[in-house]
Amino acid sequence: ETGVTQSPTHLIKTRGQQVTLRCSSQSGHNTVSWYQQALGQGPQFIFQYYREEENGRGNFPPRFSGLQFPNYSSELNVNALELDDSALYLCASSLDGGGRIFGPGTRLTVL
Amino acid sequence: AQSVSQHNHHVILSEAASLELGCNYSYGGTVNLFWYVQYPGQHLQLLLKYFSGDPLVKGIKGFEAEFIKSKFSFNLRKPSVQWSDTAEYFCAVNAISGNKLVFGAGTILRVKS
Repeated sequence: ETGVTQSPTHLIKTRGQQVTLRCSSQSGHNTVSWYQQALGQGPQFIFQYYREEENGRGNFPPRFSGLQFPNYSSELNVNALELDDSALYLCASSLDGGGRIFGPGTRLTVL
Repeated sequence: AQSVSQHNHHVILSEAASLELGCNYSYGGTVNLFWYVQYPGQHLQLLLKYFSGDPLVKGIKGFEAEFIKSKFSFNLRKPSVQWSDTAEYFCAVNAISGNKLVFGAGTILRVKS
């Protein structure tokens, strides 16, 4: 098993900027989901991609968008960054939406 | 909308004590249930899951959880905790009709040696 990898590990941006976070899913997995974990809270579901199509979305504004590529890796894009976007962003992969394997996360700080 | 409630945010136990962490969810339909653990400095790992069948499920490291449908609960248990169980534990629920995994706020467990 290759596990789920995410890049970068840490990122510092300023308000109004845009950011792209990347995730490589575990070998054999075709579903990727993204979560935001603020300090002291549980992960909050952002959206999920299955075979390159978004098939589920949480309560996040449209400035949070994503992509899934043919190799099932994925990107999370956030436009017009706000201070409250500072959080740990987690990616998880699964096969057909089953048991999810989480990556180590990307720590985003917005100043 | 689904929601998950974890009863205790912080729990402190001595080694060899028994552990029970509460988890209740609100959703009227059929669900899949999970417990995840996050050890200090590590990422979320699946501890155990319930999809169907025997409501008492066993996971890694001696943990088990019982799904009680009538109480909308999925409590995590371990008969005797070890110092190495110090971690944050998250309960999560996924309605099988949807794709959204909803997490509770987490319970930080500290085991004193």
